[in-house]
Amino acid sequence: GESVGLHLPTLSVQEGDNSIINCAYSNSASDYFIWYKQESGKGPQFIIDIRSNMDKRQGQRVTVLLNKTVKHLSLQIAATQPGDSAVYFCAENPYGYSTLTFGKGTMLLVSP
Amino acid sequence: DTGVSQNPRHKITKRGQNVTFRCDPISEHNRLYWYRQTLGQGPEFLTYFQNEAQLEKSRLLSDRFSAERPKGSFSTLEIQRTEQGDSAMYLCASSLGRGNIQYFGAGTRLSVL
Repeated sequence: GESVGLHLPTLSVQEGDNSIINCAYSNSASDYFIWYKQESGKGPQFIIDIRSNMDKRQGQRVTVLLNKTVKHLSLQIAATQPGDSAVYFCAENPYGYSTLTFGKGTMLLVSP
Repeated sequence: DTGVSQNPRHKITKRGQNVTFRCDPISEHNRLYWYRQTLGQGPEFLTYFQNEAQLEKSRLLSDRFSAERPKGSFSTLEIQRTEQGDSAMYLCASSLGRGNIQYFGAGTRLSVL
């Protein structure tokens, strides 16, 4: 499949490590945020979302943290597995708009 | 499989030809979105529909691009007189209203020769 990860920031971890992927968003009026995972040749796959009235949300092996003061999101993946290798995008939804604005993406490489 | 279906998966065309892509969203979703993604970049918004009404179009959407969602179900995106710069992945997503998860299809990869 074709790579969507050319010239992206890359995070390399060992299997079993915890991974933290960071994202700076641009619009202080954004009130909804989503993290997506994209594997080569596939569409973005929903991982977890968070609304601006929350600071933290947990899913299965994933946690999203939101710091509205500095307009920063992070995605934490616990016990990272080789199947987690992909490009990860954060996306923001400004209040009053219906569209998502995507960040630049981070490639996560997990070594066995 | 997210439930959003896009066809074809790949399209190779010659410059100047017209192409049409189809998206079938999750059936109960009233909102349908089109995005374009080039290599190494995140998806960029093109246009979206609420039911059959096209409510917003990006400045990226030149007049060679047209989208329809005739009965509020599937949607088509047509590109007329394709240019090499149109080569990209065209992604469709659907959601149940604003501020809810947008589920993406696998995309249509367009190559303009």
